[in-house]
Amino acid sequence: AQTVTQSQPEMSVQEAETVTLSCTYDTSESDYYLFWYKQPPSRQMILVIRQEAYKQQNATENRFSVNFQKAAKSFSLKISDSQLGDAAMYFCAYKRGAQKLVFGQGTRLTINP
Amino acid sequence: DAGITQSPRHKVTETGTPVTLRCHQTENHRYMYWYRQDPGHGLRLIHYSYGVKDTDKGEVSDGYSVSRSKTEDFLLTLESATSSQTSVYFCAISWMGAEAFFGQGTRLTVV
Repeated sequence: AQTVTQSQPEMSVQEAETVTLSCTYDTSESDYYLFWYKQPPSRQMILVIRQEAYKQQNATENRFSVNFQKAAKSFSLKISDSQLGDAAMYFCAYKRGAQKLVFGQGTRLTINP
Repeated sequence: DAGITQSPRHKVTETGTPVTLRCHQTENHRYMYWYRQDPGHGLRLIHYSYGVKDTDKGEVSDGYSVSRSKTEDFLLTLESATSSQTSVYFCAISWMGAEAFFGQGTRLTVV
């Protein structure tokens, strides 16, 4: 069974600085999708970024980018120029085709003004 | 925003009573999921559906049942609620190879 591990339960960063959240996963498949979701205090689950495993280029969305290392099964999220609104729980997730979305345990990110 | 509605949004119930949570979508997506979220565990899959009347168990399915009689509705039933089922429940929808979109969650308290 696929598993997703986020080894950092909590992280903090100064406003305007850069922070990287870690995620590793375990799979024997070669074709799959990886995601980062943000969950602010409102509880809403918001998609931050997605990565297709067959793409070598790392995905970017404005201040958010990933470092996808397929051989190492690593998928970290980098947030540049951190803003107070980035404070939230961040979840890494794995999905293969039509199968279920598997989540990591989450990382709580605090932004210090 | 994806058209997903969960109801109720909040519920308090007594131990031993049956509870049904509803997820309704207007997107006509094939796949629907029920997750529960508890501190330190992330989101764990309870049940999912890959079509009308086609459902399968997730990693924490004990004590839960689901039904999907039409594309737009996916019901989660706690046959006899227990305090360990106090949680926040999320419904999600998806299609092949894509990310899931989530409802706003239901906070269930079993007393």
